[in-house]
Amino acid sequence: EVQLVESGGGLVQPGGSLRLSCVGSGLTFRDYAMGWVRQAPGKGLEWVSAINAGGGSTYYADSVRGRFTISRDNSKNTMYLQMYSLRAEDTAVYYCAKRPGSGGDAFDVWGQGTMVTVSS
Amino acid sequence: QSALTQPASVSGSPGQSITISCTGTSSDVGDYDFVSWYQQHPGKAPKLIIYDVSDRPSGVSHRFSGSKSGNTASLIISGLQAEDEADYYCSSYTRSSTWVFGGGTKVTVL
Repeated sequence: EVQLVESGGGLVQPGGSLRLSCVGSGLTFRDYAMGWVRQAPGKGLEWVSAINAGGGSTYYADSVRGRFTISRDNSKNTMYLQMYSLRAEDTAVYYCAKRPGSGGDAFDVWGQGTMVTVSS
Repeated sequence: QSALTQPASVSGSPGQSITISCTGTSSDVGDYDFVSWYQQHPGKAPKLIIYDVSDRPSGVSHRFSGSKSGNTASLIISGLQAEDEADYYCSSYTRSSTWVFGGGTKVTVL
Protein backbone atom coordinates (compact mmCIF):
# COMPACT_ATOMS: atom_id res chain seq x y z
CA GLU A 1 0.00 0.00 0.00
CA VAL A 2 1.30 3.42 -0.96
CA GLN A 3 1.60 5.75 2.03
CA LEU A 4 2.71 9.34 2.37
CA VAL A 5 3.49 10.75 5.81
CA GLU A 6 4.04 14.45 6.42
CA SER A 7 5.85 15.96 9.38
CA GLY A 8 7.41 19.22 10.47
CA GLY A 9 4.34 21.34 11.08
CA GLY A 10 3.90 23.50 14.13
CA LEU A 11 3.53 27.01 15.49
CA VAL A 12 5.83 29.66 14.04
CA GLN A 13 5.92 33.44 14.35
CA PRO A 14 5.25 35.70 11.36
CA GLY A 15 8.44 36.08 9.37
CA GLY A 16 9.73 32.75 10.59
CA SER A 17 10.72 29.58 8.75
CA LEU A 18 9.70 25.96 8.79
CA ARG A 19 10.59 22.85 6.81
CA LEU A 20 8.00 20.20 6.05
CA SER A 21 8.90 16.64 5.10
CA CYS A 22 6.92 13.97 3.28
CA VAL A 23 8.13 10.37 3.39
CA GLY A 24 6.78 7.87 0.89
CA SER A 25 6.53 4.11 1.33
CA GLY A 26 5.09 1.26 -0.72
CA LEU A 27 6.22 2.86 -3.99
CA THR A 28 9.36 3.49 -6.04
CA PHE A 29 9.50 7.09 -4.89
CA ARG A 30 11.95 8.27 -7.55
CA ASP A 31 9.50 7.36 -10.33
CA TYR A 32 6.81 9.85 -9.34
CA ALA A 33 6.28 13.57 -9.51
CA MET A 34 4.94 14.98 -6.26
CA GLY A 35 3.28 18.09 -4.92
CA TRP A 36 2.05 20.06 -1.91
CA VAL A 37 -1.53 21.24 -1.43
CA ARG A 38 -2.74 23.26 1.57
CA GLN A 39 -6.07 23.95 3.21
CA ALA A 40 -6.61 26.90 5.51
CA PRO A 41 -9.01 26.28 8.42
CA GLY A 42 -12.55 26.05 7.10
CA LYS A 43 -11.43 26.85 3.56
CA GLY A 44 -10.88 25.00 0.30
CA LEU A 45 -7.86 23.32 -1.22
CA GLU A 46 -5.04 25.43 -2.66
CA TRP A 47 -2.25 24.00 -4.78
CA VAL A 48 1.13 25.19 -3.46
CA SER A 49 4.01 23.56 -5.30
CA ALA A 50 5.09 20.58 -7.38
CA ILE A 51 8.30 18.83 -8.36
CA ASN A 52 9.08 16.32 -11.08
CA ALA A 53 10.37 12.81 -10.41
CA GLY A 54 14.03 13.69 -10.74
CA GLY A 55 13.78 16.95 -8.83
CA GLY A 56 15.09 19.09 -11.65
CA SER A 57 11.82 20.91 -12.38
CA THR A 58 9.85 22.80 -9.75
CA TYR A 59 6.62 24.79 -9.87
CA TYR A 60 5.02 27.26 -7.46
CA ALA A 61 1.78 29.09 -6.87
CA ASP A 62 2.10 32.85 -7.12
CA SER A 63 1.17 33.15 -3.44
CA VAL A 64 4.33 31.32 -2.32
CA ARG A 65 6.83 31.86 -5.13
CA GLY A 66 10.04 33.36 -3.78
CA ARG A 67 9.23 32.33 -0.19
CA PHE A 68 8.85 28.52 -0.45
CA THR A 69 11.27 25.99 -1.92
CA ILE A 70 10.31 22.44 -2.87
CA SER A 71 12.95 19.72 -3.11
CA ARG A 72 13.33 15.97 -2.81
CA ASP A 73 15.90 13.38 -1.82
CA ASN A 74 15.02 10.20 -3.69
CA SER A 75 17.63 8.23 -1.75
CA LYS A 76 15.54 8.93 1.37
CA ASN A 77 12.11 8.63 -0.29
CA THR A 78 11.47 12.15 0.99
CA MET A 79 10.11 15.41 -0.37
CA TYR A 80 10.54 18.73 1.42
CA LEU A 81 8.89 22.12 1.52
CA GLN A 82 11.12 24.81 2.97
CA MET A 83 9.01 27.79 3.96
CA TYR A 84 10.47 31.24 4.64
CA SER A 85 8.96 34.62 5.51
CA LEU A 86 5.83 32.96 6.78
CA ARG A 87 2.64 34.97 7.00
CA ALA A 88 -0.62 34.51 8.88
CA GLU A 89 -2.28 33.55 5.61
CA ASP A 90 0.06 30.56 5.29
CA THR A 91 -1.72 28.98 8.25
CA ALA A 92 -3.14 25.71 6.92
CA VAL A 93 -2.98 21.96 6.85
CA TYR A 94 -0.31 21.03 4.34
CA TYR A 95 -0.82 17.82 2.39
CA CYS A 96 1.75 16.10 0.26
CA ALA A 97 0.40 14.23 -2.72
CA LYS A 98 1.69 11.96 -5.43
CA ARG A 99 1.04 12.32 -9.13
CA PRO A 100 0.42 9.34 -11.45
CA GLY A 101 3.45 7.70 -12.98
CA SER A 102 2.36 7.77 -16.58
CA GLY A 103 -0.53 9.08 -18.53
CA GLY A 104 -2.98 11.49 -17.14
CA ASP A 105 -2.68 14.03 -14.39
CA ALA A 106 -4.06 14.27 -10.87
CA PHE A 107 -2.97 13.90 -7.27
CA ASP A 108 -3.78 10.25 -6.72
CA VAL A 109 -2.44 9.53 -3.24
CA TRP A 110 -2.48 11.99 -0.33
CA GLY A 111 -0.86 12.09 3.08
CA GLN A 112 -2.78 12.81 6.26
CA GLY A 113 -1.52 16.39 6.43
CA THR A 114 0.54 18.46 8.86
CA MET A 115 -0.73 21.66 10.47
CA VAL A 116 1.21 24.89 10.16
CA THR A 117 0.13 27.82 12.32
CA VAL A 118 1.67 31.23 11.80
CA SER A 119 0.91 33.45 14.75
CA SER A 120 2.61 35.64 17.31
CA GLN B 1 -4.19 31.64 -10.83
CA SER B 2 -7.87 32.25 -10.11
CA ALA B 3 -9.75 29.39 -8.51
CA LEU B 4 -12.15 27.36 -10.60
CA THR B 5 -15.81 28.17 -9.92
CA GLN B 6 -18.00 25.61 -8.18
CA PRO B 7 -21.42 25.99 -6.53
CA ALA B 8 -21.08 26.33 -2.77
CA SER B 9 -23.63 23.63 -2.08
CA VAL B 10 -25.70 20.96 -3.79
CA SER B 11 -28.26 18.69 -2.16
CA GLY B 12 -30.33 15.69 -3.11
CA SER B 13 -32.39 12.87 -1.69
CA PRO B 14 -31.11 9.30 -1.43
CA GLY B 15 -31.23 7.56 -4.79
CA GLN B 16 -31.30 10.78 -6.78
CA SER B 17 -28.59 12.06 -9.10
CA ILE B 18 -26.82 15.37 -8.63
CA THR B 19 -24.38 17.33 -10.78
CA ILE B 20 -21.58 19.60 -9.60
CA SER B 21 -20.21 22.06 -12.12
CA CYS B 22 -16.66 23.38 -12.30
CA THR B 23 -16.02 26.39 -14.52
CA GLY B 24 -12.57 27.51 -15.55
CA THR B 25 -11.05 29.23 -18.54
CA SER B 26 -9.46 28.43 -21.88
CA SER B 27 -6.12 28.35 -20.04
CA ASP B 28 -7.03 25.48 -17.76
CA VAL B 29 -10.24 23.39 -18.00
CA GLY B 30 -10.78 24.32 -21.63
CA ASP B 31 -7.21 23.65 -22.69
CA TYR B 32 -6.48 20.23 -21.17
CA ASP B 33 -8.31 17.01 -20.41
CA PHE B 34 -6.58 17.02 -17.02
CA VAL B 35 -9.57 17.74 -14.79
CA SER B 36 -9.74 15.77 -11.57
CA TRP B 37 -12.26 15.56 -8.73
CA TYR B 38 -11.66 14.93 -5.03
CA GLN B 39 -13.97 13.92 -2.20
CA GLN B 40 -13.18 15.11 1.32
CA HIS B 41 -14.98 14.05 4.45
CA PRO B 42 -14.63 16.25 7.57
CA GLY B 43 -11.22 15.95 9.17
CA LYS B 44 -9.92 13.64 6.45
CA ALA B 45 -7.50 14.01 3.57
CA PRO B 46 -8.93 14.46 0.08
CA LYS B 47 -9.50 11.33 -2.01
CA LEU B 48 -9.22 11.21 -5.79
CA ILE B 49 -12.47 10.03 -7.38
CA ILE B 50 -12.14 11.17 -11.02
CA TYR B 51 -9.07 11.98 -13.11
CA ASP B 52 -8.54 13.04 -16.71
CA VAL B 53 -12.12 14.37 -16.88
CA SER B 54 -13.92 11.02 -16.72
CA ASP B 55 -11.64 8.18 -15.56
CA ARG B 56 -12.21 6.48 -12.22
CA PRO B 57 -9.38 5.14 -10.08
CA SER B 58 -9.62 1.51 -9.09
CA GLY B 59 -12.00 1.03 -6.18
CA VAL B 60 -14.07 4.17 -6.76
CA SER B 61 -17.79 3.56 -7.14
CA HIS B 62 -19.29 3.60 -10.64
CA ARG B 63 -21.87 6.01 -9.25
CA PHE B 64 -19.28 8.76 -9.77
CA SER B 65 -18.77 10.00 -13.31
CA GLY B 66 -17.27 13.05 -14.97
CA SER B 67 -17.56 15.01 -18.17
CA LYS B 68 -16.41 18.25 -19.76
CA SER B 69 -17.73 20.73 -22.27
CA GLY B 70 -15.67 23.74 -23.20
CA ASN B 71 -14.46 25.49 -20.07
CA THR B 72 -16.84 23.64 -17.73
CA ALA B 73 -16.37 20.21 -16.19
CA SER B 74 -19.02 18.30 -14.29
CA LEU B 75 -19.14 15.60 -11.64
CA ILE B 76 -22.26 13.46 -11.57
CA ILE B 77 -23.15 11.40 -8.52
CA SER B 78 -25.92 8.93 -9.29
CA GLY B 79 -27.88 6.87 -6.77
CA LEU B 80 -26.98 9.33 -4.01
CA GLN B 81 -26.14 7.66 -0.70
CA ALA B 82 -25.68 9.00 2.82
CA GLU B 83 -21.95 8.28 2.63
CA ASP B 84 -21.64 10.67 -0.31
CA GLU B 85 -22.21 13.62 2.01
CA ALA B 86 -18.88 15.42 1.85
CA ASP B 87 -17.03 18.29 0.22
CA TYR B 88 -16.05 17.91 -3.43
CA TYR B 89 -13.27 19.79 -5.22
CA CYS B 90 -12.37 19.96 -8.89
CA SER B 91 -8.86 20.67 -10.12
CA SER B 92 -7.21 21.33 -13.45
CA TYR B 93 -3.72 21.52 -14.86
CA THR B 94 -3.08 24.93 -16.41
CA ARG B 95 -1.19 26.43 -19.31
CA SER B 96 1.23 27.97 -16.79
CA SER B 97 2.35 24.48 -15.71
CA THR B 98 0.55 24.92 -12.41
CA TRP B 99 -2.59 23.43 -10.92
CA VAL B 100 -5.74 25.17 -9.75
CA PHE B 101 -8.54 23.94 -7.50
CA GLY B 102 -12.17 24.93 -7.31
CA GLY B 103 -13.60 26.54 -4.21
CA GLY B 104 -15.36 23.33 -3.21
CA THR B 105 -18.97 22.14 -3.10
CA LYS B 106 -20.68 20.81 -0.01
CA VAL B 107 -22.98 17.93 -0.88
CA THR B 108 -25.87 17.31 1.50
CA VAL B 109 -27.98 14.16 1.39
CA LEU B 110 -31.47 15.13 2.51
